[in-house]
Amino acid sequence: NAGVMQNPRHLVRRRGQEARLRCSPMKGHSHVYWYRQLPEEGLKFMVYLQKENIIDESGMPKERFSAEFPKEGPSILRIQQVVRGDSAAYFCASSRLAGLGGRSPPSTDTQYFGPGTRLTVL
Amino acid sequence: DQQVKQNSPSLSVQEGRISILNCDYTNSMFDYFLWYKKYPAEGPTFLISISSIKDKNEDGRFTVFLNKSAKHLSLHIVPSQPGDSAVYFCAASARNDYKLSFGAGTTVTVRA
Repeated sequence: NAGVMQNPRHLVRRRGQEARLRCSPMKGHSHVYWYRQLPEEGLKFMVYLQKENIIDESGMPKERFSAEFPKEGPSILRIQQVVRGDSAAYFCASSRLAGLGGRSPPSTDTQYFGPGTRLTVL
Repeated sequence: DQQVKQNSPSLSVQEGRISILNCDYTNSMFDYFLWYKKYPAEGPTFLISISSIKDKNEDGRFTVFLNKSAKHLSLHIVPSQPGDSAVYFCAASARNDYKLSFGAGTTVTVRA
C-alpha cells in the first residue's frame, strides 16, 4: 500500500515565478492536509481539503496561495509570485476519516505524511 | 502563538538507555496528542498517540504519558536504539478539530 506521494521533492524557483506542489493521498484516503515547516520550527497547518472542497484554509496566507483537490488527480498547492520567505518544506498529509480528536481508532483518522517538497526561492 | 512547546531542542542518550522527551501545551481544548518521528529529507511518521481520557499509552518500546492538570506529556523510549536517532515532534488537536498543532521538535541522538 503506497504511502502519501509528493512531487517534486525539490523545487527551485526565482522570485516572481509560480510554484506547484502535488500530493497524492494514500489509497482509500479522501482527506488531505497541507502543512508548512520553516527552518528550526514545527509544522504549521495551512489548509484542509476533501475531494472538490476546501474545508478549512485558515492557515493559508490570503494572497498568492491557493489549494485544490479535484475529483480526479492529486491535490495541488499553488504559490504565485513566490518570494524568498516562501522557502520552506511543504508537507502533505492524508487520512481516511476527518481527524476528530481520536474519537475513531487512530488508524482511521491519523494523518499520515508524505516526504515533503522542499521549495527554494532564489 | 506557540500552543505546543518542546523546550529541549536536542537529547543525546546511550544505546540501551531510556530516552525521555517532553512536551507542554497551553490550549486546554486539546484532547488528542500524537508523537511523530522524522528522519532527514523524509516526512513525519506517526509513532504513538493518546486521548485525554487516558494517562498512559504503550506500544512496544514507546510509552506516552499525559498529565492533563500540568498540560504536559512525555514520550519514553526504552531501550533506545541507534535507529531511534531522529527528530521527534509532539502534536495536538482539539475536540472536533483536525488541525494538528506541532511543537518545534527534539533531535534525539542515540550513541553506540
